Amino acid sequence: GESVGLHLPTLSVQEGDNSIINCAYSNSASDYFIWYKQESGKGPQFIIDIRSNMDKRQGQRVTVLLNKTVKHLSLQIAATQPGDSAVYFCAENWQLIFGTGTRLQVFP
Amino acid sequence: EAQVTQNPRYLITVTGKKLTVTCSQNMNHEYMSWYRQDPGLGLRQIYYSMNVEVTDKGDVPEGYKVSRKEKRNFPLILESPSPNQTSLYFCASSFIDSIDQPQHFGDGTRLSIL
Repeated sequence: GESVGLHLPTLSVQEGDNSIINCAYSNSASDYFIWYKQESGKGPQFIIDIRSNMDKRQGQRVTVLLNKTVKHLSLQIAATQPGDSAVYFCAENWQLIFGTGTRLQVFP
Repeated sequence: EAQVTQNPRYLITVTGKKLTVTCSQNMNHEYMSWYRQDPGLGLRQIYYSMNVEVTDKGDVPEGYKVSRKEKRNFPLILESPSPNQTSLYFCASSFIDSIDQPQHFGDGTRLSIL
């Protein structure tokens, strides 16, 4: 079936640097994408979303980029902080198809 | 506070002993869903419900039952739990009036079946 996957299982960044987490999706008909953050011991928490008629959407310190040509999604976190350490999931469509997640580790 | 509440948060039990994990949401969401999360496999959908009395199988429904008698509640039932159902379970809910409705998750229930 259709699936959503992630390129990097673990990403380590220094505090203050920018982070980029990537995601590839396979269903070209997907029209809505979501990024979730999951901290240890908690459920996934919504970060930001984007519809397929957009290429970019910005939130507070986060930006999601969508490249429909290559079916690629990315999450950019500016000035990464220790509190950003978590597992990040991408998902497509409101009914959700999850990748396995990327663990972001922030070191001082 | 808008939230999805799961109970219990942790449970250790034995093979074959029926158990129910409750899920309740206070956001008047039509859609509710159950997932299990296993290392290396990500989140996999067990069952979902589009509204009261409407339930459908997800990707891994075997060994599970659900019911949706009320809009706010969506219990997950393991009639005869087995060790391969040891996992971290999440309940989620959302509106369904448009595609851009992210799901809201509970904080999870960790089940250990011995």
